[in-house]
Amino acid sequence: DSGVTQTPKHLITATGQRVTLRCSPRSGDLSVYWYQQSLDQGLQFLIQYYNGEERAKGNILERFSAQQFPDLHSELNLSSLELGDSALYFCASSVVLAGRAGELFFGEGSRLTVL
Amino acid sequence: KNQVEQSPQSLIILEGKNCTLQCNYTVSPFSNLRWYKQDTGRGPVSLTIMTFSENTKSNGRYTATLDADTKQSSLHITASQLSDSASYICVVSAAGGGSQGNLIFGKGTKLSVKP
Repeated sequence: DSGVTQTPKHLITATGQRVTLRCSPRSGDLSVYWYQQSLDQGLQFLIQYYNGEERAKGNILERFSAQQFPDLHSELNLSSLELGDSALYFCASSVVLAGRAGELFFGEGSRLTVL
Repeated sequence: KNQVEQSPQSLIILEGKNCTLQCNYTVSPFSNLRWYKQDTGRGPVSLTIMTFSENTKSNGRYTATLDADTKQSSLHITASQLSDSASYICVVSAAGGGSQGNLIFGKGTKLSVKP
C-alpha cells in the first residue's frame, strides 16, 4: 500500500460527458502529480501541484483541468470526453520539491472507459 | 531535449534466468535516476533511486547500476521469478524546474518470465 488513494477505481461513461477523478496523497506529501497511461503505452505526465499551486504542466488537453485543495487532495476534471480519453489515470505524490522530486508514490489508478 | 530511452522494448525469459534491462538518458542537469516496476493495471512501485555519486544499488534480486559519464543505467534481475513479469520503467529526475515536473519517464521494458 503506497498510501496514495485514488477514487473511483473504475469509471465507465459516454462521450461528451464530464468526470472527476480524486487523489489523496500520502500523509505529509505536498506534491501531487497526474499521469495518463493509455493501453500498452508509457506514462504521460499531465500536471503537477505543490501545496495547492500548479508547478508544472505537461501535455494536458484544454478539456482537462486539475486543482489541489487546502487539505492537499487533488482532483482531475475531464470534460467533453472522447473515446481516446479511455486510459488509466495515475496520481503520485512526493514530499520534496526544491528543484528535485523526492520518492514518488503512485496510487492504484482510476481506469476510465469512454463508450 | 531531455529524453529517456529504454531497451529492449520487450523481453521474454525463462524462470530462473537472469536478465539486464538498459536505460540511456539525455537529461541535464541530472539529479537522480529511478527504476520502477509496474504490474499490469497497477501503479508503479519504486525499486531503486540513485544519485550522481552512486554506481550500484540493490533491492533484493534487483541491482541497478549507473554510469553518469556515459549517461547509462541498467537493471539486472537475478534468478527471475514468475512474479517479475511486469513493465520496468526508468525515470530520470532533472534538477531545477522543467516541463515534466522534473521527472522524465522512459517508455518501459515489458518483461515476461515463462515457466
